[in-house]
Amino acid sequence: NAGVTQTPKFQVLKTGQSMTLQCAQDMNHEYMSWYRQDPGMGLRLIHYSVGAGITDQGEVPNGYNVSRSTTEDFPLRLLSAAPSQTSVYFCASHPGVAGQETQYFGPGTRLLVL
Amino acid sequence: RKEVEQDPGPFNVPEGATVAFNCTYSNSASQSFFWYRQDCRKEPKLLMSVYSSGNEDGRFTAQLNRASQYISLLIRDSKLSDSATYLCVEDNFNKFYFGSGTKLNVKP
Repeated sequence: NAGVTQTPKFQVLKTGQSMTLQCAQDMNHEYMSWYRQDPGMGLRLIHYSVGAGITDQGEVPNGYNVSRSTTEDFPLRLLSAAPSQTSVYFCASHPGVAGQETQYFGPGTRLLVL
Repeated sequence: RKEVEQDPGPFNVPEGATVAFNCTYSNSASQSFFWYRQDCRKEPKLLMSVYSSGNEDGRFTAQLNRASQYISLLIRDSKLSDSATYLCVEDNFNKFYFGSGTKLNVKP
């Protein structure tokens, strides 16, 4: 049981490049989320999903796309990277059952956009 | 205005001290709250859930005050290993809002 995994751990991009941050969980959780964390700040919700085929926007969705074709995977796409997207990105999942809202986080992806 | 507000600290305390953090939230309809612990450059990990009036787990006590819309975390008998950033989290119908975190440094 690997929990929540994220790849890559580190990435350097040039402005305008695109990439996909991968996130997978093997706990059969319905809910998955993407957050970004900037220095001295808490986590801000980018996009989230309440189940396969369903996604919605969080606090800071601009510049990011998501899809949820399976329960296990929730990739985050940057279509045209900008320096403002330099951040640490965390993926999280939770069961979506009342009383079990504890989120399990992946180890994070550190992204630098030059 | 942020959904969840926390004092960033840092709180510098000696080992054995008792320390308390507060966190205010803006959505009175939110039902669930959490305290997460985050070590430097690592992912957050759940410390405690706060569903109703509060709960206790060993040296840690979390309380919820709905009238004033704040939650608190009390740490008794602080250990060096308690040094971390503590994140307050509000569950607004499965959209989770994080505070900026309160940094705790426990000194020998």
